[in-house]
Amino acid sequence: AQTVTQSQPEMSVQEAETVTLSCTYDTSENNYYLFWYKQPPSRQMILVIRQEAYKQQNATENRFSVNFQKAAKSFSLKISDSQLGDTAMYFCASGRDLGYSTLTFGKGTMLLVSP
Amino acid sequence: ETGVTQTPRHLVMGMTNKKSLKCEQHLGHNAMYWYKQSAKKPLELMFVYSLEERVENNSVPSRFSPECPNSSHLFLHLHTLQPEDSALYLCASSQDRGTGYGYTFGSGTRLTVV
Repeated sequence: AQTVTQSQPEMSVQEAETVTLSCTYDTSENNYYLFWYKQPPSRQMILVIRQEAYKQQNATENRFSVNFQKAAKSFSLKISDSQLGDTAMYFCASGRDLGYSTLTFGKGTMLLVSP
Repeated sequence: ETGVTQTPRHLVMGMTNKKSLKCEQHLGHNAMYWYKQSAKKPLELMFVYSLEERVENNSVPSRFSPECPNSSHLFLHLHTLQPEDSALYLCASSQDRGTGYGYTFGSGTRLTVV
C-alpha cells in the first residue's frame, strides 16, 4: 500500500516570492512515479509536475521544481516567482508503475498568494 | 477544454432519488477512474476501469454503481444515498500500460444529498 502525507494544511506567500510545499510518501514499490497536482477554485485538477523515481535528476517545469530525496521518501515542490494565479490547493500523489496508473493522494496544501 | 467532461456540474438529490453522473473523454485513454473528494480528506479512489473492465472496487457501498459502456464514457449511478455521500466526485482518465503520466481530470460533480 502507498501513503502520501502533506503536513502543511495551509501556506501563504507574497507575489514574486518563493515557497516550498512539503510531501512525504511511503511505498513498497520499486518503480513508481510522483506527481504534484493543482486544484484552483474551478475545481479541475491540473498536473503541475511529475517525477520518475528511477531518475535522480529533479524535475523542473518553468517556475515549478521539485526536490526529490528518494532515501528520505520526500518530494517537495518549490514555486519560484509566485503569481496570484498560483493560489490553489496542491496535492502530492504517488503512483505505481503497474498497468493503469493508480494514484494515491495526500490531503493537500492550500496555497494563498497575496499581492 | 480539459479533455475530460463531467456532467452535471452540480447535483442536489434526496435520499430516495436515483441519479447518474456522466464522464466523457476523447483523449484516446483506455483507463478511467472515479474519485470522491471530501473536505479535509485525501481523494478516495472508488472505481477503476481499464479497457472497459472494472479492475478495482475499493469497498464502495452498493448504493454507488459504476458503468463503463465503452472506453470514452463512464457513469456513476446513484441510489438511496446518505447525507455523508455529499462530496465532489471527480472522474479521471489515463493511458494504460503504466506510462506514469498521471491522470487527466474532469472538473467534477458537486453532489449534495438532502
